[in-house]
Amino acid sequence: EAGVAQSPRYKIIEKRQSVAFWCNPISGHATLYWYQQILGQGPKLLIQFQNNGVVDDSQLPKDRFSAERLKGVDSTLKIQPAKLEDSAVYLCASSSLTGRGGYTFGSGTRLTVV
Amino acid sequence: ILNVEQSPQSLHVQEGDSTNFTCSFPSSNFYALHWYRWETAKSPEALFVMTLNGDEKKKGRISATLNTKEGYSYLYIKGSQPEDSATYLCAFSTSGSRLTFGEGTQLTVNP
Repeated sequence: EAGVAQSPRYKIIEKRQSVAFWCNPISGHATLYWYQQILGQGPKLLIQFQNNGVVDDSQLPKDRFSAERLKGVDSTLKIQPAKLEDSAVYLCASSSLTGRGGYTFGSGTRLTVV
Repeated sequence: ILNVEQSPQSLHVQEGDSTNFTCSFPSSNFYALHWYRWETAKSPEALFVMTLNGDEKKKGRISATLNTKEGYSYLYIKGSQPEDSATYLCAFSTSGSRLTFGEGTQLTVNP
């Protein structure tokens, strides 16, 4: 079974620039998550999709972050404009509808904003 | 706001030592407790998903226990090896939806 694919693996940008991350989940997984993991902290949920609808985006900084999951499959997360404090690993994960079987994570995108 | 706490924050052990970490979580509205192992530059790898009070799960040299009434879980590693070096994350959910993660325990096993 193919895993969760994410790209790019690494990205370095200057503050105020824009950046986009891509995620392709496990085939058949209805639920997709984007997490932000800042160094020294646990992963924090940014947004949760179920199929192509948003279930939870309460912790997404909507003034600069946006995400979409067109057709209920792959997803993109965008930051525009980036700030220094956005430097983090952005993890995508997917799960079945119940989530009790656990999540499958991608290997993440490490973003550095300079 | 759900608070998941892990201790210790970091741990250095010698090869062959056994070790354990703690995860504490709110005991109300419990749905599931997850343990993940995260090596640098790799994907977090699911170790256990635990749902029942008193659950005890084992995978090789790693095992975990769950107490939902008092809100804690222990992860044990028997005979640590250098390849066990990683960050161990626990995560808690109140329903079949989002996980709230602790900050992790960073384990370093010295040969």
